[in-house]
Amino acid sequence: DAGITQSPRHKVTETGTPVTLRCHQTENHRYMYWYRQDPGHGLRLIHYSYGVKDTDKGEVSDGYSVSRSKTEDFLLTLESATSSQTSVYFCAIRDLTDTQYFGPGTRLTVL
Amino acid sequence: QQQVKQSPQSLIVQKGGISIINCAYENTAFDYFPWYQQFPGKGPALLIAIRPDVSEKKEGRFTISFNKSAKQFSLHIMDSQPGDSATYFCAASKSGANSKLTFGKGITLSVRP
Repeated sequence: DAGITQSPRHKVTETGTPVTLRCHQTENHRYMYWYRQDPGHGLRLIHYSYGVKDTDKGEVSDGYSVSRSKTEDFLLTLESATSSQTSVYFCAIRDLTDTQYFGPGTRLTVL
Repeated sequence: QQQVKQSPQSLIVQKGGISIINCAYENTAFDYFPWYQQFPGKGPALLIAIRPDVSEKKEGRFTISFNKSAKQFSLHIMDSQPGDSATYFCAASKSGANSKLTFGKGITLSVRP
């Protein structure tokens, strides 16, 4: 495994509540990514980071924000969760060969 | 506009057979083409990747064939085994700073014993 952990692994929350997912790496890679995976849509990029405090939007960023205060941690926040954000969320890191390594995922259910 | 399209949507193969999954891309600036394998409940894992300077790359039973003029690449799994049953994603990106992978929607491969 590439040294990526995600927490929590499972979460059930209610509509309108804030949720923060954490991605932690031990590889010291510069680039980190958040994806969501939904049936029929594959993996879609939410946000990514190219360094501490440097982040940018992906194709499905509405309703999500991110922060990266340390190289090893990349946080994804849903300010006010909606049922459409029920999904499996994956964090990934990228090495110098462009290879992305994925974490184990977080299954989020918004009721 | 979907930039990376996979076909077929699902595939059933007998043990020992050849599994072939195709991928077509739109952006001619893409220069990195990986295939990812994902088992239920796990994150995707890199299987094999190719760059446009070669037309084919083989790693064990897995081969990528790349056709730059057709903007297509495919994954061939030789001697398919039940343990190969998984979801397969193709992806593409343009190398460099702030590189981002664009994924296909994935296909489910079932290898029958």
